[in-house]
Amino acid sequence: DIQMTQSPSSMSASLGDTVTINCLASQDIGNYLSWYQQKPGKSPKLMIYGATNLEDGVPSRFSGSRSGSDYSLTINSLGYDDEGIYHCHQYYEYPLTFGSGTKLEIK
Amino acid sequence: EVQLQQSGAELVRPGTSVKLSCKVSGDTITAYYMHFVKQRPGQGLEWIGRIDPEDDSTKYAEKFKNKATLTADTSSNTAYLKLSSLTSEDTATYFCTTGQTGFDYWGQGVMVAVSS
Repeated sequence: DIQMTQSPSSMSASLGDTVTINCLASQDIGNYLSWYQQKPGKSPKLMIYGATNLEDGVPSRFSGSRSGSDYSLTINSLGYDDEGIYHCHQYYEYPLTFGSGTKLEIK
Repeated sequence: EVQLQQSGAELVRPGTSVKLSCKVSGDTITAYYMHFVKQRPGQGLEWIGRIDPEDDSTKYAEKFKNKATLTADTSSNTAYLKLSSLTSEDTATYFCTTGQTGFDYWGQGVMVAVSS
């Protein structure tokens, strides 16, 4: 199975900051990587697909990047609405797998 | 717009089974693979498996092969997840999800509590 090692597990940042969340794939997954935001008691919401593509309706403050097997989600100009848990997800091959999640708190 | 409507919360006894539904509206279910994802309280997301309603072919994560059964009814545009031999480890929220460019669409989730 492909392991997705996500870091950090939690982080706290201030309004207006820029933060980066990382996922390391245990083997090549190409660009078959997506990022989800989840708020308490809610379903996950697709933010980025294909490693770098912004889902319709998602603010351009969010961006995804890739360097080899390292994938990153960057959020610029943090706002209170960005608080939540972020999950990375590989859909390159079965079984599909997720990272362990990053809890982002806005101070 | 595609919407996924899941059945209601369940309180079930250990050793029994439960069948959860996920109804698709806004499109035909055969246009998508239907996936189910598990989330235990305070934990991350676990992929359970997926069904292709076009031909009923399925794929499962290894740990769910003897736990979960996916089916689909094209006449009602509904996918189902049956969980068997329930234990406290199965207490979780279960989501159905699908999409074209990743998991664009999600059900609201259904909480399953296993308790005697």
